[in-house]
Amino acid sequence: SQKIEQNSEALNIQEGKTATLTCNYTNYSPAYLQWYRQDPGRGPVFLLLIRENEKEKRKERLKVTFDTTLKQSLFHITASQPADSATYLCALDPDSGGYQKVTFGTGTKLQVIP
Amino acid sequence: DAGVIQSPRHEVTEMGQEVTLRCKPISGHDYLFWYRQTMMRGLELLIYFNNNVPIDDSGMPEDRFSAKMPNASFSTLKIQPSEPRDSAVYFCASSLGGASGYTFGSGTRLTVV
Repeated sequence: SQKIEQNSEALNIQEGKTATLTCNYTNYSPAYLQWYRQDPGRGPVFLLLIRENEKEKRKERLKVTFDTTLKQSLFHITASQPADSATYLCALDPDSGGYQKVTFGTGTKLQVIP
Repeated sequence: DAGVIQSPRHEVTEMGQEVTLRCKPISGHDYLFWYRQTMMRGLELLIYFNNNVPIDDSGMPEDRFSAKMPNASFSTLKIQPSEPRDSAVYFCASSLGGASGYTFGSGTRLTVV
């Protein structure tokens, strides 16, 4: 069956360091992979989307990689700040038949320590 | 645009009662999604619409759940009768489709006692 795995443990890092979050998937052929940020009591907020034929995407301090051979995406936040503390979700979109049907991972909680 | 608007933000109801959740998507977005989030199962897709037409409702847990989208600016998710296991946060999201992300509402926290 299709499965998406994110670090189930919370990730604690020191301010200024680079945070790296992992998203692994099995039995899935996504056309797109998305990353979202979710703060407590709020809905997820879209951050980045990477296509299956793209190796890397950047947006300000964020970088996403997508390795379809390893079936893995890495999400990096450079020069992390306490304001980056949140839960980060990856989501896979098979983009089959022209309709979207995105499946979300359970998320990794990031805590940036001042 | 004010984003995706959901109401109510919180709902507490007794088991057996009918619950209606409401959503106003972003104008121009062709896709609308209803998700449910719990600690145990994360975000689960319940149903989604394209141009007001339901496309896939395979995630709707039981016949007690129903969703409608009478026009491009309004959708409802109804639970009748509600049960304690329906307690969760329900999110509505909309999207342009294709290689675009979703815009989520702030969610409705439903508690069934």
